[in-house]
Parts: sequence; structure tokens; C-alpha cells
Amino acid sequence: DQQVKQNSPSLSVQEGRISILNCDYTNSMFDYFLWYKKYPAEGPTFLISISSIKDKNEDGRFTVFLNKSAKHLSLHIVPSQPGDSAVYFCAAYSSGAGSYQLTFGKGTKLSVIP
Amino acid sequence: SAVISQKPSRDICQRGTSLTIQCQVDSQVTMMFWYRQQPGQSLTLIATANQGSEATYESGFVIDKFPISRPNLTFSTLTVSNMSPEDSSIYLCSVASGNYNEQFFGPGTRLTVL
Repeated sequence: DQQVKQNSPSLSVQEGRISILNCDYTNSMFDYFLWYKKYPAEGPTFLISISSIKDKNEDGRFTVFLNKSAKHLSLHIVPSQPGDSAVYFCAAYSSGAGSYQLTFGKGTKLSVIP
Repeated sequence: SAVISQKPSRDICQRGTSLTIQCQVDSQVTMMFWYRQQPGQSLTLIATANQGSEATYESGFVIDKFPISRPNLTFSTLTVSNMSPEDSSIYLCSVASGNYNEQFFGPGTRLTVL
């Protein structure tokens, strides 16, 4: 059973427009959520995170929104740039579990078209 | 964030052999993690490695198949034993930030088993 789901395997966006990547989760114990970006032949790079006590966190062009009631989060990239083309992973963990185990989605491949 | 290196970056191995993957961090960290990413799948935690104690394995992973060493606070190894083609994956190590809210990943080791 996949506890973190990224239902769109790929997304194409024009340069300068907004990219919206979505993520759903089923485990109500998750209280911390992270987004990672991964280029080919590299490890995932941490992008931005959000705690369940917030509904929005912003860092430059990247904003993550959390809707706890819907168990849904999204990553907004504005404006999108060709260098943003990568696979984006959503991850979650339960701080109460004490294990710091991250549960990942399968990723969404973002292509930003110049 | 920590700088993490892994060796080898990739390898092609024969069925039945074993491969040891090294992970080096540029700072002392308490917790190190080993993940596997099978083709087309999300990252899955294999085990958590703390210095001075035995690794904690996740469901579906056993010490005989994936022995781990953690001799000090900057280094760990993961061995993939008695390999089969199903072990073909990217293996990644990661470390937690000081407040454990983020994890930072190494570049990964791409393993192909023939």
C-alpha cells in the first residue's frame, strides 16, 4: 500500500509559467513533509519542507501548500525555468515514530520547455 | 547541509557475488540511512545505521542480505550479498540534519546484476 502518492508521472510546462506538482498521503501520522529534486545520475536534493502545523511555506520561487484535511500537498514553482527540469519526489515522515524514516512517492518528472 | 560521497558510483556484477558500497560524510552525524531505488519505483529505506550499535532494518530487509557497518560518525558501508538481478537498483545513503527535519543524500550507486 503506497502511503505517499504522486499520481502524475510527468508534467510539461512552458518557461515562465507556474509548475504545480501534487502529492497525496494516506497515513494520518505523517506530520512533516519534504520535496526533493533529482537530476539523472545524482542523489535527491532537498528543496523545501513543511510541518503539519503550517499550511504554507515559501522559499524563493518554491512554495509548498499543505491541506491536512484532504491529506494533500502541492509544490508550486513560479516562474518555472529550464533548469527546474528534473524528477521531483514528495516525502513524508512521522516525528512521533522516532525513526525519521522518510516515505517517498514515485516522483513526477517535470519538463520546462524554453 | 552535509557533503556526502559514495563509492563506487556504478558497478556491473555477476549473480551470486557481493558488493560493498561506501558512504563518506564531511561532518560527524549520528544517524545515517541506506535507501534503495528500484527502476521506476520510489526510494525505499533499507536500514538506519547509528554509530556503535547494530543497524535497524526495515520490513523486508535482513542483515544477512544487506550487512551494514558504521565504524565512526563519518563513514558507513552497505554490502549487497549473494546478488541476483532483482538487486539491480540505485543505492543511496543519506544523513539527517541537526534537527532531523531534513535528510541529505549522496549521489547514489547504480548497481546492475547480470
